[in-house]
Amino acid sequence: NAGVTQTPKFQVLKTGQSMTLQCAQDMNHNSMYWYRQDPGMGLRLIYYSASEGTTDKGEVPNGYNVSRLNKREFSLRLESAAPSQTSVYFCASSDRNSGANVLTFGAGSRLTVL
Amino acid sequence: AQSVTQLGSHVSVSEGALVLLRCNYSSSVPPYLFWYVQYPNQGLQLLLKYTTGATLVKGINGFEAEFKKSETSFHLTKPSAHMSDAAEYFCAVSRDSASKIIFGSGTRLSIRP
Repeated sequence: NAGVTQTPKFQVLKTGQSMTLQCAQDMNHNSMYWYRQDPGMGLRLIYYSASEGTTDKGEVPNGYNVSRLNKREFSLRLESAAPSQTSVYFCASSDRNSGANVLTFGAGSRLTVL
Repeated sequence: AQSVTQLGSHVSVSEGALVLLRCNYSSSVPPYLFWYVQYPNQGLQLLLKYTTGATLVKGINGFEAEFKKSETSFHLTKPSAHMSDAAEYFCAVSRDSASKIIFGSGTRLSIRP
């Protein structure tokens, strides 16, 4: 049982380059999330998807786009990377029907933008 | 909108001492509250949660938290700190079981021998 799988684990980009972070979960969860973690800032919600076909902005959506491709997959795209997007990105999922809304996290993706 | 404030970005206690990590929330409705822990170079895992019912919630590794509506607080405690408790701790809130989850800024817990 893999849980939440994120790829890549590490990426270095130059300013202006684009890339997509991939996330997949195998727990049949409805909701999926993308957070970024920065020192002293905690985890900040970028986008979330309550169910297949829906996405909503979180606290810091500027500079990002997302796609909920199907129930399993939720990708995060940086169209034109900026140094301010250097961060550790976490994907997470939860079962909204469980009554508890507990997140299962991926291992994280460390992105550096030069 | 829901939000959480964690007081103290860094807390240091001696091994065997009481651990107290503070979390206050803002919510227009009775919230769901969570504490997550992140050990060095790892992802986050759930310590404990409050949804409804008993206001004193017990979690893993001897941690517990009490939901106090009158104080809008959900502080995390452990009677006796262990070296293995050194980690970063995050408080989080959601409106209900299907709503987005918002995290606080985190508290790094250090344990002195």
